[in-house]
Amino acid sequence: EPEVTQTPSHQVTQMGQEVILRCVPISNHLYFYWYRQILGQKVEFLVSFYNNEISEKSEIFDDQFSVERPDGSNFTLKIRSTKLEDSAMYFCASKGDSGNEKLFFGSGTQLSVL
Amino acid sequence: GNSVTQMEGPVTLSEEAFLTINCTYTATGYPSLFWYVQYPGEGLQLLLKATKADDKGSNKGFEATYRKETTSFHLEKGSVQVSDSAVYFCALSDGEGGKLIFGQGTTLQVKP
Repeated sequence: EPEVTQTPSHQVTQMGQEVILRCVPISNHLYFYWYRQILGQKVEFLVSFYNNEISEKSEIFDDQFSVERPDGSNFTLKIRSTKLEDSAMYFCASKGDSGNEKLFFGSGTQLSVL
Repeated sequence: GNSVTQMEGPVTLSEEAFLTINCTYTATGYPSLFWYVQYPGEGLQLLLKATKADDKGSNKGFEATYRKETTSFHLEKGSVQVSDSAVYFCALSDGEGGKLIFGQGTTLQVKP
C-alpha cells in the first residue's frame, strides 16, 4: 500500500529555534493535513491544505506555524520560534479526493524542544 | 464543538480474550466514525469506519456499530492476538474537508 513518509523521525531543538518538519504525501493525493499529539493527550488537528492554500486551521495553528508545498511532492510544517509546549508527535496525513474520507498517515516526527 | 471520548488505557488482556474499547462522541449533524490503529513505530492506519447510524464497520475481526441513540462507537473483537497490541484511536469526521477529531487513544497490550 502507498505510504506517507515523514522526516526526520526525531527532532531535538532549542527553544526559540525554527524547525521544519517534512512530509511526502502519497503522490496523487490532493488534500494534506498536519496533526499533533502531546504526550498523553489527544491527537489534535492543526491544519488542512488543498489547492495550494490552507483550507482550515485550528486555534493551535497561530502565526508561529506555516505550511508549504514547495515542489509538488513535499509538504512541510514550519514552526518559526519553538516553545517548550510545542514538544509533541507531529503527524502528516493525505487523502485522494473529497469523496473519500480515508486519511493516510505518516509515522510521525517526535519533536522535542529543550 | 464536536468531541470524542475513549476509555482510559492501558488495557491488558490475555490472548483469545474478548476486547471492548469504549468510544462515545458529541457531534452536531451525522459525522462518519472511525477507528484508527497505530502499531509501534508506524503511523495511524484506518481500521474500520461507519458512515451512518446502525452501520457496522468491520475489519480483521474487529467490529464497531454506529449507535446514534447512545452516541457510541465501541470497538470489539471476539478473540485478541498478541499482534493486536497497539494504540487504538476513535475519531469522527468534522466537516467536508477531511478533518478528523480524535479521542485520546487506548493502548492495548495482549499477553501470550
